[in-house]
Amino acid sequence: KQEVTQIPAALSVPEGENLVLNCSFTDSAIYNLQWFRQDPGKGLTSLLLIQSSQREQTSGRLNASLDKSSGRSTLYIAASQPGDSATYLCATTDSWGKLQFGAGTQVVVTP
Amino acid sequence: NAGVMQNPRHLVRRRGQEARLRCSPMKGHSHVYWYRQLPEEGLKFMVYLQKENIIDESGMPKERFSAEFPKEGPSILRIQQVVRGDSAAYFCASSQLAGGLVDTDTQYFGPGTRLTVL
Repeated sequence: KQEVTQIPAALSVPEGENLVLNCSFTDSAIYNLQWFRQDPGKGLTSLLLIQSSQREQTSGRLNASLDKSSGRSTLYIAASQPGDSATYLCATTDSWGKLQFGAGTQVVVTP
Repeated sequence: NAGVMQNPRHLVRRRGQEARLRCSPMKGHSHVYWYRQLPEEGLKFMVYLQKENIIDESGMPKERFSAEFPKEGPSILRIQQVVRGDSAAYFCASSQLAGGLVDTDTQYFGPGTRLTVL
């Protein structure tokens, strides 16, 4: 059974610092891995999807890496802004698209 | 192209009543997933449906919960005889493709329905 763990559970940084969010998973037989953002009381916004054959994916200030063999993914957010404050979730996908979520990392970026 | 739509956004029910949650996937998407987020817990998979078919309901409680995705109309998650423990945010997601023969596509989430059971 897949288990997804995110460390740290919470993170507070001053504006301008780079953010590093970690995600680990126990079963390397994944089809892809997605990073999401969730704002309080809101739904999820997909940030990046890394296919199982890829090593990394980039979008603007966001970069996500994937190491299937070690069961790890890392989300980097460069030059953080107060608007980046949210909960970040990683999720692995099985062959039918079912997402297995981590508990999330709650990020606060202070001005 | 409208995103995934869910309604109602907020639903209040008394114990023993029925709750019906609706989800309209993005245009062109034929795969629907339901997830539940209990207070202070992470998101958990409930059920995966394609048009007129339940593909995987391994995350659904065995009793009182059912889901459908008819040929026409939205997907419905139905909870009968609700209890306080059913209070949660219920999210629907849709995708264009699913795994198996091809890589899974990005899942797009709706805003969720927040169910409160009094």
